Order: sequence, then C-alpha cells, then structure tokens
Amino acid sequence: AQKVTQAQTEISVVEKEDVTLDCVYETRDTTYYLFWYKQPPSGELVFLIRRNSFDEQNEISGRYSWNFQKSTSSFNFTITASQVVDSAVYFCALSEASGSARQLTFGSGTQLTVLP
Amino acid sequence: EPEVTQTPSHQVTQMGQEVILRCVPISNHLYFYWYRQILGQKVEFLVSFYNNEISEKSEIFDDQFSVERPDGSNFTLKIRSTKLEDSAMYFCASPRTGGSYNEQFFGPGTRLTVL
Repeated sequence: AQKVTQAQTEISVVEKEDVTLDCVYETRDTTYYLFWYKQPPSGELVFLIRRNSFDEQNEISGRYSWNFQKSTSSFNFTITASQVVDSAVYFCALSEASGSARQLTFGSGTQLTVLP
Repeated sequence: EPEVTQTPSHQVTQMGQEVILRCVPISNHLYFYWYRQILGQKVEFLVSFYNNEISEKSEIFDDQFSVERPDGSNFTLKIRSTKLEDSAMYFCASPRTGGSYNEQFFGPGTRLTVL
C-alpha cells in the first residue's frame, strides 16, 4: 500500500530564511507520481508540482526547488528566501500508476509559518 | 488555469439530514474525484468517478455516500444521513486538460458542518 510521511508537523522561520520541507514515500510500484500542494489559510489546495518516478532531475521554479531521490524515497521541497505569503500548510502526495483511478495519497502536511 | 467550482462553499446541517455537495469539474473530462479533509488533518481520498460510474472508492466511502453525474456537467456527492464525524471540508478534483490525469486540480471545497 502506498504511504506518504511528512515528519515535520510545524516549521517556523523568519522571513528571507531558506526552509526545506521533507517528504518520504512508500510504494511497491515502479511507476508513480509525486506532488506538492499548498493550502493557504483560505483553505483551497493549490497544485505546485508533479514529478514522475522515472525523472529524477531536480526542478527549480523561482524561489521553489524540489529534490527527488529514489534511493531514499524522498521528495523534498525547498523555499529559498521565504516570504510571509509562503505561510501555509504544504502537502506531499503520491499517485501510483498501477491503480485504475490514480487517486492521490496525501501526507499529513507541514504547517509553515514565516514570520516578518 | 482550468477551474473546478463547488457549491455551496459552506453547508450547515443537522445530524441525520441528507446533504448534496455539488461540483462542476473541468469540462470534457472523464475522471472526477472527491476527497475529504477533517479540520487540521490530511486530505483523504473518498471516490473516483470515470465514464459515469465509480472507478474506485476508499473505506470511508460507505453506504451513506453516493456520487452522481446527473446532467453531464455537475458532479454530486450525497451523504444520506449525516453524522457528526462527517463534518469536514469536501474537495472535488479533476485532472488538467490534455495532461496526465494524475495532475489533479482541486475545487475551492465545501465546508460541511454537522450539528
């Protein structure tokens, strides 16, 4: 069965600090997809990134970067020069390719607070 | 950015009452999903709907729940007899047009409060 673990329940940083959110996953599939979603205080789920299991290249998008390592089953998310608007709950999620529905399995989320 | 819409944004009901939550997914899509998030907890998969029938469902999705696509555009989640523990945010999701249906875009959610 698939599982996603986000061990950091809450993280608090001061604006402009870098912060890394950890995500560890478990799956028996060789083909799978990993995601990060942001949930701001308003409650909606905002898609940030999708990663395929066969593509281990790290990705950078502005102040966001993602480090995917199959050897450690991790898909960590780093925010560089954090801003107050980054304060939110961040969820890591996994979808297995073998399932017909490809539903997302979410981690328990990390509450990030960026202080001014 | 394609948009998934949900109504109502907030529903308050008495225990034992039936509620229907509505979603308008991204048009022309075949796959639709419902997820639930109890306050302060993680997002949990309820059910997926493909080609007008349930594709998969979780253990949470018991006989009290049902889904329909009554008119080809709306996608509904019905809870027949609500319980206190059904209080949660309910999200509808739909994949992006032309992309893998793994990449699910979520509606703004309906907050259900059962009193």
